[in-house]
Amino acid sequence: EVQLVESGGGLVQPGGSLRLSCAASGFTFSSYWMTWVRQPPGKGLEWVTNVNQDGSEKYYVDSVKGRFTISRDTANNSLYLQMNSLRVEDTAVYYCARLAHITARPSDYWGQGTLVTVSS
Amino acid sequence: QSVLTQPPSVSGAPGQRVTISCTGSSSNIGAGYDVHWYQQLPGTAPKLLIYGNTNRPSGVPDRFSGSKSGTSASLAITGLQAEDEADYYCQSYDNSLSAVVFGGGTKLTVL
Repeated sequence: EVQLVESGGGLVQPGGSLRLSCAASGFTFSSYWMTWVRQPPGKGLEWVTNVNQDGSEKYYVDSVKGRFTISRDTANNSLYLQMNSLRVEDTAVYYCARLAHITARPSDYWGQGTLVTVSS
Repeated sequence: QSVLTQPPSVSGAPGQRVTISCTGSSSNIGAGYDVHWYQQLPGTAPKLLIYGNTNRPSGVPDRFSGSKSGTSASLAITGLQAEDEADYYCQSYDNSLSAVVFGGGTKLTVL
């Protein structure tokens, strides 16, 4: 059974940093693109970043470029999101998801999400 | 303001058919990029409902169907059930933004 479990969320002050983790199991982690998607409280979904199987390709939404870094550790079947210079508008539930081996790579499995709150 | 435009809400009685539109432009849906649909039940993570415009993942009832034409896509739900009450999101890719994009979401209410 495919499982994705996020952790690392919490309350942080504006300008602070946080590192999210996503533990993957039930599939060959090294064979899949992975993604982070966020959802501000009461609002819609926003794509944040994608990473390919070996971590050599990374893509980001403009609003987080230069502040967020996606990475992965195949040995530990884990995906990470390092978030620096956090802003109030980064407050959201952050989901990690697997990108399917299908054209246009839909997100076929999602974690339960971890809440990041940026506030003073 | 989302790049993909969805109606904020739709509603229907049990057993009825509803459709949810997703309107894009020549830089996303109109450029030929596939559209995916997700269902998000209250308090839960999104779930893939339709991929590649028209395809259903294993386990998704055939009451759900997707279509695409020009710069728009649609999700149709027939035989509405109370359990279908959820938020629905379309997703595609935009080549002018070089980004994955979501619609703003549509809240489906089963009357």
